[in-house]
Amino acid sequence: EAQVTQNPRYLITVTGKKLTVTCSQNMNHEYMSWYRQDPGLGLRQIYYSMNVEVTDKGDVPEGYKVSRKEKRNFPLILESPSPNQTSLYFCASSLKGGAIYEQYFGPGTRLTVT
Amino acid sequence: GQNIDQPTEMTATEGAIVQINCTYQTSGFNGLFWYQQHAGEAPTFLSYNVLDGLEEKGRFSSFLSRSKGYSYLLLKELQMKDSASYLCAVRAALIRGSYIPTFGRGTSLIVHP
Repeated sequence: EAQVTQNPRYLITVTGKKLTVTCSQNMNHEYMSWYRQDPGLGLRQIYYSMNVEVTDKGDVPEGYKVSRKEKRNFPLILESPSPNQTSLYFCASSLKGGAIYEQYFGPGTRLTVT
Repeated sequence: GQNIDQPTEMTATEGAIVQINCTYQTSGFNGLFWYQQHAGEAPTFLSYNVLDGLEEKGRFSSFLSRSKGYSYLLLKELQMKDSASYLCAVRAALIRGSYIPTFGRGTSLIVHP
């Protein structure tokens, strides 16, 4: 089954404790991205990747890192999480980064930083 | 920058027709998407418009007017399961070969019996 998976689905952590949210897709998609979704603010892009070893900042990259060492995986790293990073996070992928390709979203990771 | 506006919430009756509007201001426009998102779930793709006009897909249709910076999503024969948030997303801002998508804040549609 074609899908985007994320782990963990739920995470409660404390300020400053490094964490990684994994994202994997099995559709051989070139383009992957991370979003956060907050009430009243909608989906905002954090980082995106056009292909392996090619990553770039989205609208709200501060406090986050990403890597793209393999085509299928695109982990999101929070080196020192803070309470303002409490949010619902979605990973997404599309065949390519061009305009016509729809994005497929993972199930989401609900992160709470205390 | 880009600015996308859509109503925060709409209500409609089962079996009726509802139109959800989306207006946008952007440079380098290259397509508009509509996604459906049920509470607590991931967004799923509904439609894509890049040229002016109406795209019909079953009970859902999407319209685009590039000159007016305006789109709408039309839902016919509403069902209770259509209660969800509908996200308008504009592709623009070409950077290193990729169009950065910008999402509106979403319209929460409540369908009641």
